[in-house]
Amino acid sequence: AQKITQTQPGMFVQEKEAVTLDCTYDTSDPSYGLFWYKQPSSGEMIFLIYQGSYDQQNATEGRYSLNFQKARKSANLVISASQLGDSAMYFCAMRVGSSNTGKLIFGQGTTLQVKP
Amino acid sequence: DTEVTQTPKHLVMGMTNKKSLKCEQHMGHRAMYWYKQKAKKPPELMFVYSYEKLSINESVPSRFSPECPNSSLLNLHLHALQPEDSALYLCASSPGGARSSEPYEQYFGPGTRLTVT
Repeated sequence: AQKITQTQPGMFVQEKEAVTLDCTYDTSDPSYGLFWYKQPSSGEMIFLIYQGSYDQQNATEGRYSLNFQKARKSANLVISASQLGDSAMYFCAMRVGSSNTGKLIFGQGTTLQVKP
Repeated sequence: DTEVTQTPKHLVMGMTNKKSLKCEQHMGHRAMYWYKQKAKKPPELMFVYSYEKLSINESVPSRFSPECPNSSLLNLHLHALQPEDSALYLCASSPGGARSSEPYEQYFGPGTRLTVT
């Protein structure tokens, strides 16, 4: 079965500190992609970062980095130097490459609150 | 330009009304998606169009009817909805067709907040 698990319903972080949001996945397909999305209270899902199953290096995009541990099936999102605008819900998602469906499987999400 | 637009932003409709949601992208993407999202829950896939053909219907009730008039437009026609259909409806698109083996990211629009009274 293909599944994404986010075990932290809510997280707090102090402004300017780093925070790690956890994500574990389960798939038997060797080809897959892992995504992180940010959803502010306005509702729009904002694509943050992508990691392919065959990528050798961890993905980075500005203050976002993805700590990809393939053997542990984890794909944690690290946000460095948190800002107040980072307060939002964060979703980890997976797309299996050979599924021919284009379907994203989402985790339950983590609500992050950045404290001033 | 990585923009997906959706109209309207908010919609209130009665259970006997007929309305439509509209989604547009001009990125040349070949796959387009409709999702339904309840508060504090992940998005749930409803429909996928690949190269303007319906490729996935996730057992959605017939009161929701999708339409893809061309490669840039995606509509969702609503008729005889129930109060439990109130939700945020998100449209998304991705570069490859849904049958592509590449795990392309999906770009989402801002959503339409639908309230059924």
